[in-house]
Amino acid sequence: GQQLNQSPQSMFIQEGEDVSMNCTSSSIFNTWLWYKQDPGEGPVLLIALYKAGELTSNGRLTAQFGITRKDSFLNISASIPSDVGIYFCAGQSVGSSNTGKLIFGQGTTLQVKP
Amino acid sequence: DTAVSQTPKYLVTQMGNDKSIKCEQNLGHDTMYWYKQDSKKFLKIMFSYNNKELIINETVPNRFSPKSPDKAHLNLHINSLELGDSAVYFCASSQEWGLSDEQFFGPGTRLTVL
Repeated sequence: GQQLNQSPQSMFIQEGEDVSMNCTSSSIFNTWLWYKQDPGEGPVLLIALYKAGELTSNGRLTAQFGITRKDSFLNISASIPSDVGIYFCAGQSVGSSNTGKLIFGQGTTLQVKP
Repeated sequence: DTAVSQTPKYLVTQMGNDKSIKCEQNLGHDTMYWYKQDSKKFLKIMFSYNNKELIINETVPNRFSPKSPDKAHLNLHINSLELGDSAVYFCASSQEWGLSDEQFFGPGTRLTVL
């Protein structure tokens, strides 16, 4: 089945540092979404991307839809302790049979040291 | 007000039992989903309903039976629970089938089968 490769698997950084994570797929995607999951909670949508090359920001977060439509990255600038959590990329690949089916990456666990 | 809610939050039960998890969304969305998150945090879609109709069934065992009494509710019934069913189950909703992939997640139900 379709897979998303998300990296890195985990990161341990100092408060104030910038963070970058990315996802790649073996097939072309229509949509890229980035979610954050706090412990004991459900994933919360951070950024949604719908066009190749699209660059979107949400506060200190910036995400881009890769031009090949097979990848996306998420950057977090000036990290703070509350950025701790698991970040997931998710996407929907091209094809009518894939409508509504979000495929999730394996997640990037972020820890921030104050 | 909670957008997507699930009950119960925690469910501990014996192997072989039958249990149900309930989900409600007050966002006015047409489409609802059930996801399973395993111990490695991998999120995988199980079912999707659009306007009370089953759209996606991702090769989930027949012991899992979703039911949507109306488009604001999607419940999950599990028969003859097995150890491998232990996981966190997330309900999600999105505005309209095929229109937007932005899915909003509930807080999750942690199921432990002993």
